[in-house]
Amino acid sequence: DTGVSQNPRHKITKRGQNVTFRCDPISEHNRLYWYRQTLGQGPEFLTYFQNEAQLEKSRLLSDRFSAERPKGSFSTLEIQRTEQGDSAMYLCASSVYNEQFFGPGTRLTVL
Amino acid sequence: KQEVTQIPAALSVPEGENLVLNCSFTDSAIYNLQWFRQDPGKGLTSLLLIQSSQREQTSGRLNASLDKSSGRSTLYIAASQPGDSATYLCAVSGNTPLVFGKGTRLSVIA
Repeated sequence: DTGVSQNPRHKITKRGQNVTFRCDPISEHNRLYWYRQTLGQGPEFLTYFQNEAQLEKSRLLSDRFSAERPKGSFSTLEIQRTEQGDSAMYLCASSVYNEQFFGPGTRLTVL
Repeated sequence: KQEVTQIPAALSVPEGENLVLNCSFTDSAIYNLQWFRQDPGKGLTSLLLIQSSQREQTSGRLNASLDKSSGRSTLYIAASQPGDSATYLCAVSGNTPLVFGKGTRLSVIA
């Protein structure tokens, strides 16, 4: 399968714990995006990489959130000291030009 | 700030009907508009991408149009099938990455 992959697919954690998600983009896609989606809403942009450079961050990305793309390939999104309000689907997308292709998402539940 | 609105929020039609989903956006300075499909609990599947210089795109039974000056796009689905049941999302990109609407939840009844 050559699409965008995300791991884990589901994560249940207790409030205050740290979690890390991984995204593997389509091979040779130089742009990688993270979005967050809550029930009944469209995805909201979090952050964007071009190769290994993080070019844009939304104000939604509080200081508890950090994202990396160390070698310009896969990316990780870490949430520290999780809160119940962090419960959502975290979606990753990649592109080489304008059309973005999304992965299956990681559903986070914070108890 | 770009805002995207999709109407209706939900739609139920009998199998075989043709239907139109609507998307409007407040800032016409967009680079492109993308329509996606999302099945419950799943990621997004790209359906069609319309560049800002284009008026429409077609893929199979789907046709998307773009009127950039009026800030509107429509997604036309011909001869709907139960397998078309899903949420359809519209998103626009300008100087920032994609801004999404809340989607239209479509149910096609056999």
